[in-house]
Amino acid sequence: DAKTTQPPSMDCAEGRAANLPCNHSTISGNEYVYWYRQIHSQGPQYIIHGLKNNETNEMASLIITEDRKSSTLILPHATLRDTAVYYCIVSLDTDKLIFGTGTRLQVFP
Amino acid sequence: DSGVTQTPKHLITATGQRVTLRCSPRSGDLSVYWYQQSLDQGLQFLIQYYNGEERAKGNILERFSAQQFPDLHSELNLSSLELGDSALYFCASSPGLAPNPPPYEQYFGPGTRLTVT
Repeated sequence: DAKTTQPPSMDCAEGRAANLPCNHSTISGNEYVYWYRQIHSQGPQYIIHGLKNNETNEMASLIITEDRKSSTLILPHATLRDTAVYYCIVSLDTDKLIFGTGTRLQVFP
Repeated sequence: DSGVTQTPKHLITATGQRVTLRCSPRSGDLSVYWYQQSLDQGLQFLIQYYNGEERAKGNILERFSAQQFPDLHSELNLSSLELGDSALYFCASSPGLAPNPPPYEQYFGPGTRLTVT
């Protein structure tokens, strides 16, 4: 599975968009990009996944560059409850999710 | 609430002992995964079962074993416990395998916090 690189931490003001970047320059053609988050020792929570096209759901948007070497998770209106560690994972299938160190997002009032 | 339940929530035991952690997957999910999260190692995949059969192995120690029962619940057995086994243990479930499956999200339980003293 391709490796991912994420900034260790980011801050975002409440109500603003949080843009979390992820580099995955060695991604292969069949590998998906998954995003999960973990709120303070709770079980990780699935957010979104994509292959080539941009995706949006009720939680977030996922923007994947045309060359697929990087992606950005967008939380359109961050709230205090979005404070968490966000994991970007690249994998061929759901069965093999390798969690890295993620980005610790702090949303402040 | 993900629909995945884990018991117990907390477990305190001594070195050398053996414990069993239990997981009930979401209704209808056939795959169960176990993860270990310690402070220095992050979230590590241990093992996956699909419909009672072992499907994939990660960084699981030989002292650890797991099984999935006919009713699809799973147990993770940890033996000869060491101080370094203190961690959060998460179970997750997903709908499971199929020929050319779509990518399923994994639904995680609340975890069991194991403290070895």
